[in-house]
Order: sequence, then C-alpha cells, then structure tokens
Amino acid sequence: KNEVEQSPQNLTAQEGEFITINCSYSVGISALHWLQQHPGGGIVSLFMLSSGKKKHGRLIATINIQEKHSSLHITASHPRDSAVYICAVRAAGNKLTFGGGTRVLVKP
Amino acid sequence: ETGVTQSPTHLIKTRGQQVTLRCSSQSGHNTVSWYQQALGQGPQFIFQYYREEENGRGNFPPRFSGLQFPNYSSELNVNALELDDSALYLCASSQGLAGVVLGTDTQYFGPGTRLTVL
Repeated sequence: KNEVEQSPQNLTAQEGEFITINCSYSVGISALHWLQQHPGGGIVSLFMLSSGKKKHGRLIATINIQEKHSSLHITASHPRDSAVYICAVRAAGNKLTFGGGTRVLVKP
Repeated sequence: ETGVTQSPTHLIKTRGQQVTLRCSSQSGHNTVSWYQQALGQGPQFIFQYYREEENGRGNFPPRFSGLQFPNYSSELNVNALELDDSALYLCASSQGLAGVVLGTDTQYFGPGTRLTVL
C-alpha cells in the first residue's frame, strides 16, 4: 500500500462543474502540498496545509489531520483547469512523498 | 526574483552511459530536492541537498549522485544508465530548514529534464 493514495485517478467534468479530488495518507506528517502539473512537466505548488482550510480563487483545499485525509475542490471548473493534480506529504526528513496524481479533464 | 531552471530540457542517452542534469535554484533558496517521475506516475524523491550537504535520500542506488554548489545550484549525476532510468527529472528549491520552522517551506519546481535511455 502506498503511503499516499489519491482518488480518483482520472476525472472528466463539464465546464462549470464542481470537482473534488481526495488524498489519504498513512504516515504522520508535518504538512501536505497540493500541486498542479501541466502537460510538459511543469509543476506549480497550489497549497501547503498543516490544518484547516485554504482558499485561492476557485480552489479550496481542506485537511483533516485526525482522519489523515485532504481534499482539493475546484469550483466552476474551466478547461484551463485540465491538468494532473498531485498530493504530496512531508513526513520525517523533510522529503516529500507523492501520490500518483489525478488526471483532470474539463470539457467546454 | 528568478524561478527554478533546469537544463537540458530533453536528453537521449544509451544504456551504460552517464548523464549530468543541472538545476538553478530560486533566488534566496538554499535547499534543492531532486525527483524522478516515470510516465503516468507521481514523482519519487531521489535526494535533497541543504547548504552543499546531502540532507536525505530516497530509495535510489548509489549510481544516482548529486552535488550542490556554493551558489546553491545543483547537479544530478546518473552513472551506468538503465532503460528504467527514462523519466522526467524534476528539481525543486526551497528555503530549507528555516522555511520549515517558519512554515514557509513551499517547494518551487523547475520545468524538468526529460531523459530517454535507449
């Protein structure tokens, strides 16, 4: 079992729909990152969370430390949101352990 | 402030050869981490350098080695290349230990180097 599991692996939505991506982890962590990776490889850090909730534009990230679970929500999705979204946790040693990613396709 | 840059963008090598990938950190960052991302998978941690010293290593063999220079730029070296080494290699810089204490330790990723081993 991987230390970081994401679901779903693939997601297709119509423009305007609300999207939720889930991340579960099995180790104690100091922080959790949500990252966005576009075709070609570039990775952008969206959020870093250690508790509660953060919001940036149409993106909302939540984390429940007790349940070892985080969600990334995209409201009013747009085709430009199409990307791979990756959850990564920081545990001991300051290294990041990544989930396998969720491939999101938003159709116009 | 400049972002994280990597060179080259693409590289093709044959089995048994050696390769050096380069990364320039974001201004003000003293920590660099290297990751390997195979096609369709999430990145895997290779190692991290903090102020020119290795500061953690993932499950990669010794033929994966690195250096960090006084200006905090970094190299990843891979010897005796194998077909399975074909991947996107990402580096990420951060403020390192001080950033962890302050809670500002966001990692900034470079665009990656795509390595193909034939």
